[in-house]
Amino acid sequence: DGGITQSPKYLFRKEGQNVTLSCEQNLNHDAMYWYRQDPGQGLRLIYYSQIVNDFQKGDIAEGYSVSREKKESFPLTVTSAQKNPTAFYLCASSIITSGAEAFFGHGTRLTV
Amino acid sequence: LAKTTQPISMDSYEGQEVNITCSHNNIATNDYITWYQQFPSQGPRFIIQGYKTKVTNEVASLFIPADRKSSTLSLPRVSLSDTAVYYCLVGGSPGSARQLTFGSGTQLTVLP
Repeated sequence: DGGITQSPKYLFRKEGQNVTLSCEQNLNHDAMYWYRQDPGQGLRLIYYSQIVNDFQKGDIAEGYSVSREKKESFPLTVTSAQKNPTAFYLCASSIITSGAEAFFGHGTRLTV
Repeated sequence: LAKTTQPISMDSYEGQEVNITCSHNNIATNDYITWYQQFPSQGPRFIIQGYKTKVTNEVASLFIPADRKSSTLSLPRVSLSDTAVYYCLVGGSPGSARQLTFGSGTQLTVLP
C-alpha cells in the first residue's frame, strides 16, 4: 500500500519542549516538503528537500529544523524557538519533473 | 515564482456547474498549472493539471487561454461533497522543488 504517512495524528506539547513530527513515504519520490496550515488559511512552506542530505528553507523556516538522512524519511522538529507552534502540519512528496503531482499525508495537528 | 490570485469564496447549488478562475499574470514559459482540493483536516488532493488549452479528466476540466495568464477550473454538476477549498498552483519548471507554493485558495460551498 503505497503512500505517505505522517505520525502522530495529534500531538500535544508543553511550552519549551522540542517535538519531532514523522513523515515517511514509500513512493520512491525524490522531493519532500513540510507545510504549516493555520485555521482558515492556506498552506505555507516550511522546508523542502530534493535529495538526501540536502534541504532548503521555505517561507517560514524559523523555529523549525529538518533532516533528510534517508530518501523515504523527512522528519520535522518544532523547536522551543517557534513562538506560535499550534497548527496543522502537512508533509508531501513528489518526483522532480515538470508539473509533478504531489502526494500529501493526512497531517499532524500540534497543540501547545 | 508566479503569484496566483483566486476568489476567497464561492457558493453554488447542487447540480450546477462551478467555474473557479485563477489569475497568474507572471507565469513562466515552463510553468504548469495545477489545481488541488482540500477538505477540512486533510491533506490537499490533486485534481487536474494543464499547460495550455483544455484538459479534462473524470472529475473536472481545466481551461487555459492562449496567453496562459489565467486558468479556470470547471466542476460539472457539483454535489454537497464538493464543498472544499480549491487551490491553484503555478510552477513545476524542471529542477525546481519549489513547485508547490500554495495561495489562500477558494472556499467552495455547495448548498442543497
